[in-house]
Amino acid sequence: DAGVIQSPRHEVTEMGQEVTLRCKPISGHDYLFWYRQTMMRGLELLIYFNNNVPIDDSGMPEDRFSAKMPNASFSTLKIQPSEPRDSAVYFCASTWAGDGYTFGSGTRLTVV
Amino acid sequence: GQQLNQSPQSMFIQEGEDVSMNCTSSSIFNTWLWYKQDPGEGPVLLIALYKAGELTSNGRLTAQFGITRKDSFLNISASIPSDVGIYFCAGQLRGSQGNLIFGKGTKLSVKP
Repeated sequence: DAGVIQSPRHEVTEMGQEVTLRCKPISGHDYLFWYRQTMMRGLELLIYFNNNVPIDDSGMPEDRFSAKMPNASFSTLKIQPSEPRDSAVYFCASTWAGDGYTFGSGTRLTVV
Repeated sequence: GQQLNQSPQSMFIQEGEDVSMNCTSSSIFNTWLWYKQDPGEGPVLLIALYKAGELTSNGRLTAQFGITRKDSFLNISASIPSDVGIYFCAGQLRGSQGNLIFGKGTKLSVKP
């Protein structure tokens, strides 16, 4: 298995632009998680899905953030409009039955 | 929200030395996991613990799930330069399905 695949690896965008981050979980995994990592706050859970259904989005910072999982093999995290304080590394992770996540390599987002 | 207190925050050691780090919480967990993150990559699972009192080894790494279910430690014996990275503990709360809470990490530096 290729593992959890995220794209792009790096994204630099101007403030106000829309940003879309993509994730392909490991085949057969039924949970998918979006995390944000910063020096100040560490790893923060943004949202997670079980069987493509959003279960807990209480970590999503504000309405500018949205996430979808249209099928078992794809999820997106969208920020619209982006702001400099959104700069961080965004990780996607997946697991089966909530047991020991596998993380992707992350997307480093810089908003200037 | 729930918190994991991970210590120490950073360590500078000489190659060959043993390392110990731990995580504590006021909450009860039914799973403890230890991850390592290399620069520019996502966290990678090192050891998973599922039972109170469980002691598990993975090569030079040893981790234990505390009897009270509120703490865990990770030991690395005879450290080598490639042990450098950030180590995270993560716990799944009792009664929670899928969602992990992460510690802030321990940054390990090894001097050859």
